Amino acid sequence: GESVGLHLPTLSVQEGDNSIINCAYSNSASDYFIWYKQESGKGPQFIIDIRSNMDKRQGQRVTVLLNKTVKHLSLQIAATQPGDSAVYFCAVTNYGQNFVFGPGTRLSVLP
Amino acid sequence: DAGVIQSPRHEVTEMGQEVTLRCKPISGHDYLFWYRQTMMRGLELLIYFNNNVPIDDSGMPEDRFSAKMPNASFSTLKIQPSEPRDSAVYFCASSRRGPTEAFFGQGTRLTVV
Repeated sequence: GESVGLHLPTLSVQEGDNSIINCAYSNSASDYFIWYKQESGKGPQFIIDIRSNMDKRQGQRVTVLLNKTVKHLSLQIAATQPGDSAVYFCAVTNYGQNFVFGPGTRLSVLP
Repeated sequence: DAGVIQSPRHEVTEMGQEVTLRCKPISGHDYLFWYRQTMMRGLELLIYFNNNVPIDDSGMPEDRFSAKMPNASFSTLKIQPSEPRDSAVYFCASSRRGPTEAFFGQGTRLTVV
């Protein structure tokens, strides 16, 4: 079955620096990948997604990179702000089935 | 729009009791998802509906769990009988296009003692 893991459970970055959060998955047939942000006491919030036919996708201050060869994706946050402090989850699915979330990475932004 | 509305926000119940969690999706969203979040297992998709029809319930842990969506504006997740290991935060989410860009509710924190 699918499994999803993260390289770092916690990440501390200086305000203004760039953040990189990583995620590894196991099922090479996975075709759709999503990043969520979850602030304390709230539900997850969609950030950005990418399909397997793409290597990179950019949003506002965020970029997702997908490396299908090594089954790895990352979320890059530019100019990290205090409001970016949260837990970030990657999620992987195979044609809408077998939806699996990673355990999450806690991002702490230092003043 | 008020977003996805879940009730109750908190529920404490005794083992063996029936628990019903409620969700009102965002109007116009055709997809509805139920998730469970625990420290041990993280975030898990339990079941999702498309146009009120259950599409994938492979994440439902066992027969004690059941979910219904009688109409486009309401869904329930029921646990009967409840057990302490069911303690978790249960999220409902809705979207227009499947799991992409799903909007989550605030969650129901369930404690079974």
